[in-house]
Amino acid sequence: QAVVTQEPSLTVSPGGTVTLTCGSNTGDVTSGHYPYWFQQRPGQAPRTLIHDTSNKHSWTPARFSGSLLGGKAALTLSGAQPDDEADYYCLLFYNGVAVFGGGTQLTVL
Amino acid sequence: EVQVVQSGGGLVHPGGSLRLSCAASGFTVSGDVMYWIRQAPGKGLEWVSSFYSGALDGTTYYTDSVRGRFIFSRDNSKNMLFLQMNNLRVEDTSVYYCGSRAAWGQGVLVTVSS
Repeated sequence: QAVVTQEPSLTVSPGGTVTLTCGSNTGDVTSGHYPYWFQQRPGQAPRTLIHDTSNKHSWTPARFSGSLLGGKAALTLSGAQPDDEADYYCLLFYNGVAVFGGGTQLTVL
Repeated sequence: EVQVVQSGGGLVHPGGSLRLSCAASGFTVSGDVMYWIRQAPGKGLEWVSSFYSGALDGTTYYTDSVRGRFIFSRDNSKNMLFLQMNNLRVEDTSVYYCGSRAAWGQGVLVTVSS
């Protein structure tokens, strides 16, 4: 089974910009992995922020964007807000079988 | 409003069975790929299973650790999803979430313990 890697923790200043990445031990992450990004606040259910690399939902704040960057999937937060402090998980698909990354704990401080 | 409401869950002995249910509203479960994911206490998210629609309608995939024990099914008439979990193990203890790109349920706790 593939292994998906994320930064365990990141810190961003309020109003700052941070990029979370999602790599695969099988090689470059591509659009064919249909990267998803989830946000999970403490004690809450996860919610999908981004699907299929860069597609947002109506509830996804405009300050979040998804892309492919340097062989990885990336989630960029521009203009961080205190409310963005949460765990972020990426999900990659390998011919139908999916694997989550270990998650990134994002601190806004 | 797009919503997913889950039911089921609870305490079960190792080797036992449990069925989780998931009722969707505001969208049709047959119109999108649907998922079950889980989260063990204090741990990260783990993908469990997918149920595809469209060109792959009815195709299911499972993570290795549950394949052969869990069955993901869909009832289009009721707009519901089900996860039949058999031969449960202690390591299956988790909060289980069902959902899609559009929405996720509130999660239900499954505890497998003797």
